[in-house]
Amino acid sequence: GEDVEQSLFLSVREGDSSVINCTYTDSSSTYLYWYKQEPGAGLQLLTYIFSNMDMKQDQRLTVLLNKKDKHLSLRIADTQTGDSAIYFCAEIPISGGYQKVTFGTGTKLQVIP
Amino acid sequence: GAVVSQHPSWVICKSGTSVKIECRSLDFQATTMFWYRQFPKQSLMLMATSNEGSKATYEQGVEKDKFLINHASLTLSTLTVTSAHPEDSSFYICSAPTDTGVYTQYFGPGTRLTVL
Repeated sequence: GEDVEQSLFLSVREGDSSVINCTYTDSSSTYLYWYKQEPGAGLQLLTYIFSNMDMKQDQRLTVLLNKKDKHLSLRIADTQTGDSAIYFCAEIPISGGYQKVTFGTGTKLQVIP
Repeated sequence: GAVVSQHPSWVICKSGTSVKIECRSLDFQATTMFWYRQFPKQSLMLMATSNEGSKATYEQGVEKDKFLINHASLTLSTLTVTSAHPEDSSFYICSAPTDTGVYTQYFGPGTRLTVL
């Protein structure tokens, strides 16, 4: 089955950029997502990218996709303390109908004031 | 974006009782909803796929008689944890897919279940 891996922890200083990395194994066309989870809360969809794209930018967020290496990254510019949370990458293979989401292990981002 | 709500947000119950958790899509219809379980500091584990008007599909290792799912309408799915035990204590999250040109899933805020 699909496997999605992330580093567990990242610590950055406020104002710096954060880069959260993710690797996946599915080789078919797929949607790739980044979700944010604050303590005790559900998941908030941040952004997504389709596997035929290389990059997507949305305000402070930049998603980079290296399809050859199956590597996905989320860059947060000017990281703020409110960005402290757990970030999950997720993929959904496209093969018709509703597909199951495979989540990464989650990366806890700690922003130091 | 689309909104998915859950009720209750947290519940404490005694061992042996049953607990019902509701998942609602507030501004869209969802023929399919998903139920996840999340243990502390861990990722989400898919428990089952809830299908409106038909039986739920359970993931391997999830007891269907333990976790009863009912998807009675296009906006409501319920998960009932029957005869709950302390090991059932967890964070339960539902999600519903929407198709607005891009396939995405929107998640509920989660329900914290504590079984004493």
